[in-house]
Amino acid sequence: KAGVTQTPRYLIKTRGQQVTLSCSPISGHRSVSWYQQTPGQGLQFLFEYFSETQRNKGNFPGRFSGRQFSNSRSEMNVSTLELGDSALYLCASSLETGSETQYFGPGTRLLVL
Amino acid sequence: QKEVEQNSGPLSVPEGAIASLNCTYSDRGSQSFFWYRQYSGKSPELIMSIYSNGDKEDGRFTAQLNKASQYVSLLIRDSQPSDSATYLCAVNTNAGKSTFGDGTTLTVKP
Repeated sequence: KAGVTQTPRYLIKTRGQQVTLSCSPISGHRSVSWYQQTPGQGLQFLFEYFSETQRNKGNFPGRFSGRQFSNSRSEMNVSTLELGDSALYLCASSLETGSETQYFGPGTRLLVL
Repeated sequence: QKEVEQNSGPLSVPEGAIASLNCTYSDRGSQSFFWYRQYSGKSPELIMSIYSNGDKEDGRFTAQLNKASQYVSLLIRDSQPSDSATYLCAVNTNAGKSTFGDGTTLTVKP
C-alpha cells in the first residue's frame, strides 16, 4: 500500500499570504490529523477529520482551517500568514478515529518570509 | 504543567547499553499510548503502542505502562547507533485527541 502523501513538500510564502496544503491518506484510512512541528514547540495538534467532519481541534487561531473530502483526502489552509507559521506541517492518517495508530506523511515544510 | 512530559535530553548511551526513555501524562482518561521515532529531517514513525498496564515487548524495544502513576516508558536494549533519533511519546484521550511530548533525543555512541 502506498503511504501517506503530502503536497507540496516545500513552500515559501510571504507574510499576509495564504497557503493550502494537501494530504492523501493511506488507502482505506478515514481519519486524517494535522500537526505543526517547530523546534521550540514540538509537535502540536491542529485538527482531526473523520468522514468529512472535524472531530477534534487543537489550540490554534481561526486562521488555521481544514476540510476533508469524500475520498478522505484532506486540505489544510492557513490565511494571513505570520512569520511564526514557519514550520513543518505533518499529516497523519489512521483507519478510524479515536485510539488508532497514526501513520505520518513526509510533511510540508513552510517558510514564511 | 504540560499534558505530556518527557525526560529532558539529550540522552547519550554507549552502543550495547540500555536506553531508558520516560514519559508522564496528566489526563487520567487517556487510553492509548504510543512511542514514535523521528530521525532528523524525517517524519515520525511508530515503534510501539500500549493500551494496558504492564510491559509489552517487541524485539529490542519494551514499552511499560502504569496508569495509576500516569507513566509510560520505553526501554531499548542493546542500543545501536541506528537508534540515534528523537523519540516522541504520544497519548490519546477517549475523545481521540493526540498529544505529543516534546521528544527526547537519543544518541548511541559506537
